[in-house]
Amino acid sequence: GENVEQHPSTLSVQEGDSAVIKCTYSDSASNYFPWYKQELGKGPQLIIDIRSNVGEKKDQRIAVTLNKTAKHFSLHITETQPEDSAVYFCAAPSGTNFGNEKLTFGTGTRLTIIP
Amino acid sequence: NAGVMQNPRHLVRRRGQEARLRCSPMKGHSHVYWYRQLPEEGLKFMVYLQKENIIDESGMPKERFSAEFPKEGPSILRIQQVVRGDSAAYFCASSPILIGQGGIFGSGTRLTVV
Repeated sequence: GENVEQHPSTLSVQEGDSAVIKCTYSDSASNYFPWYKQELGKGPQLIIDIRSNVGEKKDQRIAVTLNKTAKHFSLHITETQPEDSAVYFCAAPSGTNFGNEKLTFGTGTRLTIIP
Repeated sequence: NAGVMQNPRHLVRRRGQEARLRCSPMKGHSHVYWYRQLPEEGLKFMVYLQKENIIDESGMPKERFSAEFPKEGPSILRIQQVVRGDSAAYFCASSPILIGQGGIFGSGTRLTVV
């Protein structure tokens, strides 16, 4: 099955600086990579995703890059703001039938933005 | 268009009681997934259901846990004879196609076993 590793587990960044979170995956057949943001007491919120036919995707201050050869993908947050403080999870698809019946999540990164 | 609705938001049960968690998927979504999150940990897959069918329950504990998604009504995650170790946040997600191509999560049910 899929194995997803996420680093770092905690990250503190000065407001206005950039934050980068990295994930690696094991199944070379995986073709979809979402990132979720979870605020305290809430459910995971999909913030951006990327499919394997592209190497980078941007949405305002958030970007995701994908390196299929190395099997890793990264979340980049620029011009960080206090409301970016949360736990971020990467994920990759897995499953025995089609390979994408479920998502395997990384262990999470607690991002703290320092005002 | 309401999102994925879970209830109750908080549930307290004494050891040995039963817990029932409900999930109504987004309109138009026919795939439902349950995940468990222990304190300070990531989300662990439990079960994947379609209407009236359990497709993958490889993440479900062998005993005391069951799930269903009837033809009418919400999906139910049922935990019998709860123990302290069952205390966790249980999240439901739904997708129009396989979640490996995208999914939306509910706000979760936080189960506390006392």
